[in-house]
Amino acid sequence: SQTIHQWPATLVQPVGSPLSLECTVEGTSNPNLYWYRQAAGRGLQLLFYSVGIGQISSEVPQNLSASRPQDRQFILSSKKLLLSDSGFYLCAWSWVSGNTIYFGEGSWLTVV
Amino acid sequence: AQSVTQLDSQVPVFEEAPVELRCNYSSSVSVYLFWYVQYPNQGLQLLLKYLSGSTLVKGINGFEAEFNKSQTSFHLRKPSVHISDTAEYFCAVREINTNAGKSTFGDGTTLTVKP
Repeated sequence: SQTIHQWPATLVQPVGSPLSLECTVEGTSNPNLYWYRQAAGRGLQLLFYSVGIGQISSEVPQNLSASRPQDRQFILSSKKLLLSDSGFYLCAWSWVSGNTIYFGEGSWLTVV
Repeated sequence: AQSVTQLDSQVPVFEEAPVELRCNYSSSVSVYLFWYVQYPNQGLQLLLKYLSGSTLVKGINGFEAEFNKSQTSFHLRKPSVHISDTAEYFCAVREINTNAGKSTFGDGTTLTVKP
């Protein structure tokens, strides 16, 4: 079966510091990978998605970037965090032609 | 473009009572529809989905939803809720033939089950 893990689960970072959230999918190959942000009391906003190694599509302009160095690894980064980057970040995957997205456990980021 | 409206931000209900969480969507083309559940500080878990066929869809944990094309709705129901059903519920819609990740999510409905 397929599993998805992301870490760290919780992160408190000062303004201006860098960020790296990592996500790994097991049990499948060449998945589509996604990063979402969930603001408090709101739905999910798609930030980035990737259909293959090195292929990243950005959905919204922002202070964040994503990379896919390996087939089942997806990384969310920032060089300098802003207060507005605080939130709950969710990694997800789907089959290449799949209909359903499967989510990781999420990472809480608090920028102070 | 597609959009989703979850009509109730909070739904309090007593244990063993029935519950309905309402979801309306808007799209100019055919869509797939999903309900996810999120327990505190966790990711989203798929409850059920409508892709095609029967408009009544059954999911995990005793939940079901009915797709109503004329009313563009996909309401989630459970005949008898438990304390453990307390969670945030998200409706999502995605136009067919688009990337799975391009689903649009509603703002969520907080279901609180009271003893």
